[in-house]
Amino acid sequence: QVQLQESGPGLVKPSQTLSLTCTVSGGSISSGSYYWSWIRQPAGKGLEWIGRIYTSGSTNYNPSLKSRVTISVDTSKNQFSLKLSSVTAADTAVYYCARDSMISADAFDIWGQGTMVTVSS
Amino acid sequence: DIQMTQSPSSLSASVGDRVTITCRASQSISSYLNWYQQKPGKAPKLLIYAASSLQSGVPSRFSGSGSGTDFTLTISSLQPEDFATYYCQQSYSTPIFTFGPGTKVDIK
Repeated sequence: QVQLQESGPGLVKPSQTLSLTCTVSGGSISSGSYYWSWIRQPAGKGLEWIGRIYTSGSTNYNPSLKSRVTISVDTSKNQFSLKLSSVTAADTAVYYCARDSMISADAFDIWGQGTMVTVSS
Repeated sequence: DIQMTQSPSSLSASVGDRVTITCRASQSISSYLNWYQQKPGKAPKLLIYAASSLQSGVPSRFSGSGSGTDFTLTISSLQPEDFATYYCQQSYSTPIFTFGPGTKVDIK
């Protein structure tokens, strides 16, 4: 049973870079049928897709965040990571990592539990 | 960009009720529409993919229909554990994905 787990600082200062890692267990991140995504949700609000990465390192980003986002993968550790630069209070949210299944119409079929990140000085 | 809307934004229903939630896309997305359930403090859970395919392990009281711009999620007989917020998500404009604003289902 594949599981995802987010990790990283819960508090980031404005203008700094938010860094999170998602560890995949119970399966290989190198499985060919999946992308690996980051999604966020501000408190009381809806879901926003941030971007995704394939095992090859190929990435796609939400145009609204593209200038500030970098997603990378470390297949040896079965992990992928998110960096979001120049953060402001508007980036305060619960951040989820999720598996994007190409065989299920690009649905997000497995999610991490989420990690709360607050941007504050 | 493809915009997603949902109606209603919230509804109150009783256990045993038939519940229908609508999702509309700003342009045709064929059948590239997925539905999720989210309970407070929890990650979303995939219910339906490709408009009408039931995700493994999801109870059969959940069903999805539609194509083009208009889609529905139906719960045939609402159960206590179904009180949650439901989101639709389009995957037509891959690799750019957007979610609907959500529909909260609470107890009447």
